[in-house]
Amino acid sequence: DTGVSQDPRHKITKRGQNVTFRCDPISEHNRLYWYRQTLGQGPEFLTYFQNEAQLEKSRLLSDRFSAERPKGSFSTLEIQRTEQGDSAMYLCASSLEQGSYTFGSGTRLTVV
Amino acid sequence: QQPVQSPQAVILREGEDAVINCSSSKALYSVHWYRQKHGEAPVFLMILLKGGEQKGHEKISASFNEKKQQSSLYLTASQLSYSGTYFCGTEPWDTDKLIFGTGTRLQVFP
Repeated sequence: DTGVSQDPRHKITKRGQNVTFRCDPISEHNRLYWYRQTLGQGPEFLTYFQNEAQLEKSRLLSDRFSAERPKGSFSTLEIQRTEQGDSAMYLCASSLEQGSYTFGSGTRLTVV
Repeated sequence: QQPVQSPQAVILREGEDAVINCSSSKALYSVHWYRQKHGEAPVFLMILLKGGEQKGHEKISASFNEKKQQSSLYLTASQLSYSGTYFCGTEPWDTDKLIFGTGTRLQVFP
């Protein structure tokens, strides 16, 4: 297993455009998490899945954000009508239930 | 709700020791510790699951005081490779996700 993969590594988009990120977790892991991190801050929780079920979504997450995990495998995070405040590193992590997190390398989003 | 870490930053010479603290306002089921180097993803160090539990990982160890909702990370005889930002991730009893702390930036110089 090659760990958690995220694609793309970098994304530059114009304000108002939609973007989609992909995360491929470790295959044995049933939990998948999305976090957002800005410079100098700790990862901020966005949402998480257990298998294909989305169990929790941050109240800070506006309705412009949506995530899916069809068939309990890879996951996508979509941001609609991007704003400059969405610029951040988007981290995906996977784990077994109540186990350690393995993070991907992240997708760095820049909204111009 | 975000756990508070102290100190915010530490500067060490190789071979010196450091302690990083993590304090939560919520009752905790577990505490995780991660290290993140600049431009890289956080990397898992250890999990502490029970009150008073102490675990070790070579010269890095940690303790968890469940009653005080606090955890401490101990780095002894620091090495250059210890440089990075350390985050605690706390798992309250009422949730299944980690809430990460404010971070402690550690720099080790020769």
